[in-house]
Amino acid sequence: DTAVSQTPKYLVTQMGNDKSIKCEQNLGHDTMYWYKQDSKKFLKIMFSYNNKELIINETVPNRFSPKSPDKAHLNLHINSLELGDSAVYFCASSQASGETTDTQYFGPGTRLTVL
Amino acid sequence: GDSVTQMEGPVTLSEEAFLTINCTYTATGYPSLFWYVQYPGEGLQLLLKATKADDKGSNKGFEATYRKETTSFHLEKGSVQVSDSAVYFCVIGKRGYQKVTFGTGTKLQVIP
Repeated sequence: DTAVSQTPKYLVTQMGNDKSIKCEQNLGHDTMYWYKQDSKKFLKIMFSYNNKELIINETVPNRFSPKSPDKAHLNLHINSLELGDSAVYFCASSQASGETTDTQYFGPGTRLTVL
Repeated sequence: GDSVTQMEGPVTLSEEAFLTINCTYTATGYPSLFWYVQYPGEGLQLLLKATKADDKGSNKGFEATYRKETTSFHLEKGSVQVSDSAVYFCVIGKRGYQKVTFGTGTKLQVIP
């Protein structure tokens, strides 16, 4: 069973289009994240939700909007796609606890190519 | 703010060579320390972790010791294999806070 899954795995689209990436986790975790990985493998956190509530919102263009319908799902919608949005987007989840920072479990990634 | 500095890659080693990937951090308090690994075409996965000073994390022959006095968490393996070729990320997390800080990643290539 896949712990953290993302769809689609590959997404090729034209500049100006709107697209969505979906993420689901079956680990029963409370916290989910979206990361962007550039071509040099640098990882940048974009958003995090805890029990459907937005808790981390880094400096990300307004064209990116996360949505969490329930604590097992966190989707990412991107409006008016630009060339610079081309990257690999990773979803992750963790079981929030008060004492330590918990291990994050990553999905396989969605490779977005904007032409 | 918190930051992580990893050695630049790529690192190229022959099979069975000794591996060290250096990692130092800047953080207030007592962060949790992690090494994550990303195999080609895959997502990241936890390799090992340590949550307090002098703890040693280990997994798959890899080890790293939480050194508070030098704020370091160097990754070591005594004998690397071709299958260890991947990108390795040093990561710190503030206690009780789920946002983590990633290093820039070090690509390891092991040649037969």
